[in-house]
Amino acid sequence: AQTVTQSQPEMSVQEAETVTLSCTYDTSESNYYLFWYKQPPSRQMILVIRQEAYKQQNATENRFSVNFQKAAKSFSLKISDSQLGDTAMYFCAFKQGGSNYKLTFGKGTLLTVNP
Amino acid sequence: DAGVIQSPRHEVTEMGQEVTLRCKPISGHNSLFWYRQTMMRGLELLIYFNNNVPIDDSGMPEDRFSAKMPNASFSTLKIQPSEPRDSAVYFCASSFLQSTGANVLTFGAGSRLTVL
Repeated sequence: AQTVTQSQPEMSVQEAETVTLSCTYDTSESNYYLFWYKQPPSRQMILVIRQEAYKQQNATENRFSVNFQKAAKSFSLKISDSQLGDTAMYFCAFKQGGSNYKLTFGKGTLLTVNP
Repeated sequence: DAGVIQSPRHEVTEMGQEVTLRCKPISGHNSLFWYRQTMMRGLELLIYFNNNVPIDDSGMPEDRFSAKMPNASFSTLKIQPSEPRDSAVYFCASSFLQSTGANVLTFGAGSRLTVL
C-alpha cells in the first residue's frame, strides 16, 4: 500500500519570505500523480498544485512550485513571497495512475504566515 | 458551477440519534467520494461511487454507517445510531474519473459533526 509522510507537523514563515514543505511517499508504481491540497480555516480543501510522475519538469502555479525527486520519492512544496492568506493546513496526496481512484493523504503540515 | 455542495455545515446531536449528511456533486462528474477527517486519523476514504454505484465501501467503519447515491446529483451518508467517536468533519468530493489522467478531486466545504 502507498504511504505519504509529511514530517513537519507545523511550520511558520514571515510574510514575503519563502518556505518549503516536505513530503515523501512510498510506492512501487511507476505511473502516479502527486498533489498538494490546502485547507484554510474555512475548512475547504483546495487543490494547490499537481505533478505527473512521468513529467520530469517540476510543476509551477504562480507562487507555488514543487521539487519532485522521483528517485528519492520526494515531493516538496515551495511557497514564494508568502502571504497571510497562505496560512492553512497543507496536505500532500498520492494517486496511482490508470483508473485507480484512491487518493492517499499525508497527515498534513500546519503553516502559519506571520505579519 | 457552484462546486460540491454539502449540508449541513454543522451538526450537533446526541448519542443514539440518526445523522444524515448530504452531498450534491459537480454536474457531469461521474465519481463521488466520502471522506472523514479527524485529528487522530487524518483524512480517510469511507466510500467511493462510480456512476452512482458503490464500488468500494471498505473504509466504512461499521454497520452503523451507510451511504447511498440514488442519482447522479445527490448522495447521503447516514450514521445510525451515532456515537461520540463519530465526531469528525465529513467531506464529500467528486471527480470525472477517466482511465487516464490525474482525475482531480473537488471537495465540498465539509460537514462538522459533533455527537454528545
